[in-house]
Amino acid sequence: NAGVMQNPRHLVRRRGQEARLRCSPMKGHSHVYWYRQLPEEGLKFMVYLQKENIIDESGMPKERFSAEFPKEGPSILRIQQVVRGDSAAYFCASSRSESTDTQYFGPGTRLTVL
Amino acid sequence: QKEVEQNSGPLSVPEGAIASLNCTYSDRGSQSFFWYRQYSGKSPELIMFIYSNGDKEDGRFTAQLNKASQYVSLLIRDSQPSDSATYLCAVNNAGGTSYGKLTFGQGTILTVHP
Repeated sequence: NAGVMQNPRHLVRRRGQEARLRCSPMKGHSHVYWYRQLPEEGLKFMVYLQKENIIDESGMPKERFSAEFPKEGPSILRIQQVVRGDSAAYFCASSRSESTDTQYFGPGTRLTVL
Repeated sequence: QKEVEQNSGPLSVPEGAIASLNCTYSDRGSQSFFWYRQYSGKSPELIMFIYSNGDKEDGRFTAQLNKASQYVSLLIRDSQPSDSATYLCAVNNAGGTSYGKLTFGQGTILTVHP
């Protein structure tokens, strides 16, 4: 029973490049959450998606960041024109339903911007 | 005032002792509460969740919730060196959402020394 999968696990980008982070939820889960953990800071909510819908993107920076969860395939968090301040661990979590169901986290993608 | 507050620690306890971790939250509408454990460089791992006032026990772990005081705690009995990690308190429905958006505290670093 595979858990939440994320790839790549480590990603290095130069300033100005694009970063694409992928998340495949657990089997049977159709709700995906992205969180960011900056160095020495806590986990912060970024975006909540269901299949083909963005439900809440209140935690996403207004520019350069976007997310999608297509009908087929993984959820993708895209960061355009990365800057050093984007260096962080990005975690995806999934749940079976939208309410108070527990969320299970993937291993994370550690993004380093040079 | 932060939405979810934890003592950052570090909290140091001897092996075999009880470790007590505390968390307060500001939104009275919060409905469910989670404790995650995060080892350095790893993703958060769900330990327990609690929805109702009172105590909930699972093995060596006990979660306690007091909604009137807006307080949730985690007790770890018979602490082991392998329990050394950062413990994250997370609250659902902070800010009035009905879905599983989690708001995390800063985390408490626990060290269990032999």
